[in-house]
Amino acid sequence: ELKVEQNPLFLSMQEGKNYTIYCNYSTTSDRLYWYRQDPGKSLESLFVLLSNGAVKQEGRLMASLDTKARLSTLHITAAVHDLSATYFCAVDIRETSGSRLTFGEGTQLTVNP
Amino acid sequence: GAGVSQSPSNKVTEKGKDVELRCDPISGHTALYWYRQRLGQGLEFLIYFQGNSAPDKSGLPSDRFSAERTGESVSTLTIQRTQQEDSAVYLCASSPLNRPQHFGDGTRLSIL
Repeated sequence: ELKVEQNPLFLSMQEGKNYTIYCNYSTTSDRLYWYRQDPGKSLESLFVLLSNGAVKQEGRLMASLDTKARLSTLHITAAVHDLSATYFCAVDIRETSGSRLTFGEGTQLTVNP
Repeated sequence: GAGVSQSPSNKVTEKGKDVELRCDPISGHTALYWYRQRLGQGLEFLIYFQGNSAPDKSGLPSDRFSAERTGESVSTLTIQRTQQEDSAVYLCASSPLNRPQHFGDGTRLSIL
């Protein structure tokens, strides 16, 4: 059974600081996603990582993938309050009948002024 | 609209009643997914439809849960004889084959 673990689950940080969220998964995967969820809202796709060594950046967020270590990271640079949200990683298991996402528990990020 | 549409947005019902949740996927998306999100937790996969293939029902938690989809259009998720542990947000997503999923805003289900 595929397991996806994120840490930390809760993160409180000051504006302007840097931090990294980690996502470990237990089996080979074709691709990995990062999503953002604001309270009471649905999920917003942030990044799709397709291959070993993939790195993608958008604004203050940068995601990377190491398929050999089965690890993805989401790095936050110079955090601002607007980044406060819950961040999920999700692993795509490509099966013969299609694909399904297995999600981590989420990291609840609070950026304090 | 251009996005995945779910209805109702909120549903409160008594334990033991049946509920039906609806999902309108993005036009042209062949794949449709249902997930459940309990408070403060990640998403649990429930069921996946792809075109005319047999659905992947491996995530349905019990035989009280069922889902249907007509062709590549609307899907309904039905929960019979609801229990309090069914309280959650039910999220629907759609995608073209093997492409990123787009999520709806969800149905918040509360069982009294």
